[in-house]
Amino acid sequence: SYELTQPPSVSVFPGQTANIPCSGDKLGDKYACWYQQKPGQSPVLIIYHNTKRPSGIPERFSGSNSGNTATLTISGTQAMDEADYFCQVWGTTAMVFGGGTKLTVL
Amino acid sequence: QVQLVESGGGLVKPGGSLRLSCAASGFAFSDYYMTWIRQAPGKGLQWISYITSSHVVTYYADSVKGRFTISRDNARNSLYLQMNSLRPDDTAVYFCARYVVEPPAAYPDYWGQGTRVTVSS
Repeated sequence: SYELTQPPSVSVFPGQTANIPCSGDKLGDKYACWYQQKPGQSPVLIIYHNTKRPSGIPERFSGSNSGNTATLTISGTQAMDEADYFCQVWGTTAMVFGGGTKLTVL
Repeated sequence: QVQLVESGGGLVKPGGSLRLSCAASGFAFSDYYMTWIRQAPGKGLQWISYITSSHVVTYYADSVKGRFTISRDNARNSLYLQMNSLRPDDTAVYFCARYVVEPPAAYPDYWGQGTRVTVSS
């Protein structure tokens, strides 16, 4: 079955850029999405089709996908961005999520 | 706006059954695929099942195949998950979500707030 791998945690200072990677076999051939989940809340879609932002999602969130890695980039990270982030693709026969990355804003 | 409200969770003994419901509003429910996703305490997201807009086709994760049944009532704008033969490792918050299918992409775009299921003796 298809698998996505994310680092358990990433730390960033306020105002700096955070990069959260998601790796999988030939992931660049698929369309990746990213979700933000804050404690006690349901996930929110922040990136779809690798690079697109739903309406209402701040421009500081962006995505890329090439080779075996998709990356969520948060530019000018704010304290409110502290959350868990999950990548997702449609695998061969199932929806697949990465294990999640906890972003800490120092 | 899109709203999804789950209900039906609770405490159940191993081997027992529960039926989860998801009430949808704010969009043309019958036009969309729908999906269930769960999250065990302190863990990541796990897809469970999805159903096509006309409920002709359903898919299940291997971990629930044969035990869980997804269904929908387009007249009532409602999604359901019948869960039988529940096990302690089914303990999780269960989310319903609207499922956008744009081949080769497929992703949930709106999520409910979740309903908690605890399987314990």
